[in-house]
Amino acid sequence: KQEVTQIPAALSVPEGENLVLNCSFTDSAIYNLQWFRQDPGKGLTSLLLIQSSQREQTSGRLNASLDKSSGRSTLYIAASQPGDSATYLCAVSLGDDKIIFGKGTRLHILP
Amino acid sequence: DVKVTQSSRYLVKRTGEKVFLECVQDMDHENMFWYRQDPGLGLRLIYFSYDVKMKEKGDIPEGYSVSREKKERFSLILESASTNQTSMYLCASSPSVSNYGYTFGSGTRLTVV
Repeated sequence: KQEVTQIPAALSVPEGENLVLNCSFTDSAIYNLQWFRQDPGKGLTSLLLIQSSQREQTSGRLNASLDKSSGRSTLYIAASQPGDSATYLCAVSLGDDKIIFGKGTRLHILP
Repeated sequence: DVKVTQSSRYLVKRTGEKVFLECVQDMDHENMFWYRQDPGLGLRLIYFSYDVKMKEKGDIPEGYSVSREKKERFSLILESASTNQTSMYLCASSPSVSNYGYTFGSGTRLTVV
């Protein structure tokens, strides 16, 4: 059974630092992996989608990588800002139109 | 951009009431999903639908039902609301091709008193 793990559950870093969020999954047979952002009390906003054949995707200050063989993905945030404070979730698609979510990393950027 | 609209941001209902949560998407997506999100438990799939009038149970369907009479609309129904159904409910949609991601609505925070 596919399991998705995000460690740490919470992270605080000073403004301006670069940071990496981690996501690991147990079964490498995935179709794609998606990173989401969730602000308190709100829905999920898609940040980046990486297909199984890709190694990375970039959007602005965000870069997501995928290593299927090791069952890992990272989300790199450059030059962090207080507005980046949110919960970040990763989710893997199994190809049957369902996805499995991690429980998220709650990120706090200290001004 | 795809939009997934959930009709209510906040709802307060009484125990035993029948509750309807509505979700509408505007990009002709085949797949639609209902999740609930609770602290420490993450997102859990309640029901999903691959097409009009089709529905499939997710991981926690007990106490819920769904309706999909039109492609763009997917409704979650709590037949008799209970306090343990107090939660954040999230609707999502995706196209039928697996290589495209999900788009989520803004969520409905339901409190059952």
